[in-house]
Amino acid sequence: QVQLVQSGAEVKKPGSSVKVSCKTSRDSFSNYGFSWVRQAPGQGLDWMGQIIPIFNSLMYAPEFQGRVTITADKSTSTAYMELSSLTFEDTAVYYCARGRYRTSSGDIFWYFDLWGRGSQVIVSS
Amino acid sequence: DIQMTQSPSSLSASVGDRVTITCRASQNIKTYVNWYQQRPGEAPKLLIYVASDLQSGVPSRFRGSGSGTDFTLTISSLQPEDFATYFCQQSYSSSWTFGQGTKVDVK
Repeated sequence: QVQLVQSGAEVKKPGSSVKVSCKTSRDSFSNYGFSWVRQAPGQGLDWMGQIIPIFNSLMYAPEFQGRVTITADKSTSTAYMELSSLTFEDTAVYYCARGRYRTSSGDIFWYFDLWGRGSQVIVSS
Repeated sequence: DIQMTQSPSSLSASVGDRVTITCRASQNIKTYVNWYQQRPGEAPKLLIYVASDLQSGVPSRFRGSGSGTDFTLTISSLQPEDFATYFCQQSYSSSWTFGQGTKVDVK
């Protein structure tokens, strides 16, 4: 069964950066996109961005543009999300989600069909 | 950004109840809507994609409908494992957004 295996919890100081990883199987990596979605304590879901490794195509949410970097290593089937200039408000669980799409009449419908278990990031002084 | 507004924010229901959750988009998004379920302490799980397609393995009591700006997730007969929070999500624009969530708890 395909899984997305994320890296462990991190505690970071304000102003620093954090890098979270998401590893999957080679077959799963090649044909999908990989998004990062975060959830602050007791809050909803915020999409941060997506990479499509096979095309090296990137999209970022405006809210995180300039502060987030999403990359992919095809040799290890691993996606990464690095968030810089951390503040206390960045304390959250960060999820990796596999993006899949369906096409119909020229439309491309993306959805997240598989999620990692999440990586807790705590920003504390 | 396209805003996705869910209603209600929370609801109380009993096992066997029919439950309806609504999601309204701030502009026409055709059928670019997906629905997810999140149980406490767990990652979200895909239920419905492209407004009305049931994800493999998801029980048929879950049904999605709508197009344009108004979308609905219906649970025909609530089961104990369905007490959770539900999120809609749009993938129409280049910046994808979620609704704020609807928590379904025990009446």
